Amino acid sequence: AQSVSQHNHHVILSEAASLELGCNYSYGGTVNLFWYVQYPGQHLQLLLKYFSGDPLVKGIKGFEAEFIKSKFSFNLRKPSVQWSDTAEYFCAVISGGYNKLIFGAGTRLAVHP
Amino acid sequence: DAMVIQNPRYQVTQFGKPVTLSCSQTLNHNVMYWYQQKSSQAPKLLFHYYDKDFNNEADTPDNFQSRRPNTSFCFLDIRSPGLGDAAMYLCATSASPGQGGSGFYEQYFGPGTRLTVT
Repeated sequence: AQSVSQHNHHVILSEAASLELGCNYSYGGTVNLFWYVQYPGQHLQLLLKYFSGDPLVKGIKGFEAEFIKSKFSFNLRKPSVQWSDTAEYFCAVISGGYNKLIFGAGTRLAVHP
Repeated sequence: DAMVIQNPRYQVTQFGKPVTLSCSQTLNHNVMYWYQQKSSQAPKLLFHYYDKDFNNEADTPDNFQSRRPNTSFCFLDIRSPGLGDAAMYLCATSASPGQGGSGFYEQYFGPGTRLTVT
């Protein structure tokens, strides 16, 4: 079965630092990949998604992710984080015919002013 | 705005007392999902409906049931809540390959219902 690994459980950064959060999925073939964000006390929101085409995907709020098929990876990046980026970030992959989402364990990001 | 609505946002129930959580959507999506998210953990799929077809995850306890009376509404019933069932319950919807259109394969989440069991 498909699975997702997020390497960093907690990340602490200062404002303006660059961010990269790792995500690996377990097996190849056609994959649909997502990054969701959950701000404190709020619901899950889609940051960006990859279905096909350009492996560099641009999302909302200045986030981007790169799909590297040979590495089974879909890492999330942002060149300069802000305090408002403090949140939990989930990588997810679709598994199965009914769009079943398999989530990684999440990375909790804290950005200090 | 088209959206996914969950009621109530906060629910307190007693140990063993049945509880029902509700979800409605205005997106006209034919797939609806229920996830359980415990504190500091990833959301875990409990089951989903593809139209009226119910699909249970293999590790979802029998204590959890669901109903979908029409396209717009879906209910999560917990027959005998235990302390371990305290969690955030998330409803999500998506279009299916047959529906296509924008948001294809993307799941839209509601704000969740936080369940407390006393």
